[in-house]
Amino acid sequence: KNEVEQSPQNLTAQEGEFITINCSYSVGISALHWLQQHPGGGIVSLFMLSSGKKKHGRLIATINIQEKHSSLHITASHPRDSAVYICAVGGGADGLTFGKGTHLIIQP
Amino acid sequence: NAGVTQTPKFQVLKTGQSMTLQCAQDMNHEYMSWYRQDPGMGLRLIHYSVGAGITDQGEVPNGYNVSRSTTEDFPLRLLSAAPSQTSVYFCASSYKPLSYNSPLHFGNGTRLTVT
Repeated sequence: KNEVEQSPQNLTAQEGEFITINCSYSVGISALHWLQQHPGGGIVSLFMLSSGKKKHGRLIATINIQEKHSSLHITASHPRDSAVYICAVGGGADGLTFGKGTHLIIQP
Repeated sequence: NAGVTQTPKFQVLKTGQSMTLQCAQDMNHEYMSWYRQDPGMGLRLIHYSVGAGITDQGEVPNGYNVSRSTTEDFPLRLLSAAPSQTSVYFCASSYKPLSYNSPLHFGNGTRLTVT
């Protein structure tokens, strides 16, 4: 079973700061997912990646397959980015292994 | 196009009662799954299905049943509710079983309390 570790568990930052959330996993994978869970509880898929880097707006996700590590970056952070960010790894039919999430608060 | 629809949003049960959590998707996704989310733990897979008529167990299947008679629907049944099943439940679907090009789409969750 893959072990997924996220850091930090909690992060409070000021609006405008550059944010980095890290994810490490123990077993080689076919894909890594970054998810966002808003205070209301809904979960949205942000990125799926198996190599390199992806960018969507102010969000950037990178993955290093050799080091079994991924990072999620938020540039010019905004209070609306406040959410729980979840890393999940795996592939195939038997589902994903999820990290416990990083609770991010962006203060105005 | 409603995406993934879960009902109910909230439910309170007494120990020993049974109930069904409903999940429907209108995206013609082959893969559907149920997860539970508990404080301090990551989402955990309960059951999944790779197509109509095919289901399999995930990490924490005990106390739950599923069926997949149509592509659209994937209900989760609690046979005899226990306080340990108090949790938030999410249904999720994707076009293919979690391949590189198939993001997961989540329902809004069901908050279940068993007293």
